[in-house]
Amino acid sequence: RKEVEQDPGPFNVPEGATVAFNCTYSNSASQSFFWYRQDCRKEPKLLMSVYSSGNEDGRFTAQLNRASQYISLLIRDSKLSDSATYLCVVNPLGDTGRRALTFGSGTRLQVQP
Amino acid sequence: NAGVTQTPKFQVLKTGQSMTLQCAQDMNHEYMSWYRQDPGMGLRLIHYSVGAGITDQGEVPNGYNVSRSTTEDFPLRLLSAAPSQTSVYFCASSRSTAGVNTIYFGEGSWLTVV
Repeated sequence: RKEVEQDPGPFNVPEGATVAFNCTYSNSASQSFFWYRQDCRKEPKLLMSVYSSGNEDGRFTAQLNRASQYISLLIRDSKLSDSATYLCVVNPLGDTGRRALTFGSGTRLQVQP
Repeated sequence: NAGVTQTPKFQVLKTGQSMTLQCAQDMNHEYMSWYRQDPGMGLRLIHYSVGAGITDQGEVPNGYNVSRSTTEDFPLRLLSAAPSQTSVYFCASSRSTAGVNTIYFGEGSWLTVV
């Protein structure tokens, strides 16, 4: 089983739609969680961190469910510019130990006019 | 703001050739890493470093070497290129691996081995 799993999509949605992605992780000791966005042929960039209590940044809402070991990303009022691949990222130990961030393979979103 | 700079952006190698992908960051970050990204497989960690003089293997280290002689630089060496090493390579850095620390990526290096 992969440490971090995502539905690869693509999710094809019309402009203005609400779309949600889930990401499951296998290491119950994981402490830090993030969503990164990657545009085609570009480097990943941080979209938002995911906090235990859930957090919102404009049209984007991230939530963490530790009991079921998944994080989610909700995008409201989708824009054409939201079209990208969204990467789920987990810090497996959450400390300064010698493990590194683990990336999901990404969920592709295509917003259509 | 330079951030993370990696070169070259594109490279074609013949099987058996060696080369070095350069990576430099100007943010005084302790942690640096190299990933490769292949279709459907996401980013996979090759090697990483938690500080100057310290390196460690990631998930897919075979065929690659790294060194960290300074805080700023973290080159990745392909010892004898193979077609299986055709990929997009990303160098990344962050202040540390603890807590909520943004990881910054270079723009990527597209490598083709023929």
